[in-house]
Amino acid sequence: ETGVTQTPRHLVMGMTNKKSLKCEQHLGHNAMYWYKQSAKKPLELMFVYNFKEQTENNSVPSRFSPECPNSSHLFLHLHTLQPEDSALYLCASSLGMGGGTGELFFGEGSRLTVL
Amino acid sequence: AQSVTQLGSHVSVSEGALVLLRCNYSSSVPPYLFWYVQYPNQGLQLLLKYTSAATLVKGINDFEAEFKKSETSFHLTKPSAHMSDAAEYFCAVTGIPTSGTYKYIFGTGTRLKVLA
Repeated sequence: ETGVTQTPRHLVMGMTNKKSLKCEQHLGHNAMYWYKQSAKKPLELMFVYNFKEQTENNSVPSRFSPECPNSSHLFLHLHTLQPEDSALYLCASSLGMGGGTGELFFGEGSRLTVL
Repeated sequence: AQSVTQLGSHVSVSEGALVLLRCNYSSSVPPYLFWYVQYPNQGLQLLLKYTSAATLVKGINDFEAEFKKSETSFHLTKPSAHMSDAAEYFCAVTGIPTSGTYKYIFGTGTRLKVLA
């Protein structure tokens, strides 16, 4: 398997549920990203990890909790979400400093609906 | 600070006609520039990138873009539109990596419609 894989592709949850999104990359990259894509809004960077260390948290509410156990895996833990959190959540990876020209490789996204 | 402006949130062209999607950027450092395409219910795929080599960049599916520093533009073109080009297109800019990673700034996207 190659590229960036996200699971699940679709998720429906209530406001009191706890769920997680998973991202896995098989490209040997060291940086991983979570983006939120809402209708009629620009892509919003949420979190960046480099070699498992969080390097950016773009003022994301605490009901979103990222986890990066290694350079190949990234999770987004979700709890007590709001309906406005319904969106497409995209995971991406890239080579950071020392290699490549930094283009992002995206997964196909997890479509989240909060009821 | 870096920013990206995509003129026109929706563009319609006839099949076989020229495609022109506009992107202007601002950057305080030499930029890397990218065009990504997103088909329905999919993630973003890289179309092409400018990384300070040739100013005319060729990408997949006959798309190309020209970096014009004097105009701070990186417009995307394709000589002849195909129905399969219908998608949303995003321009993005990034500069020198910080904290070991690139900080991307994306435009708001242009949805391309191809008319039969």
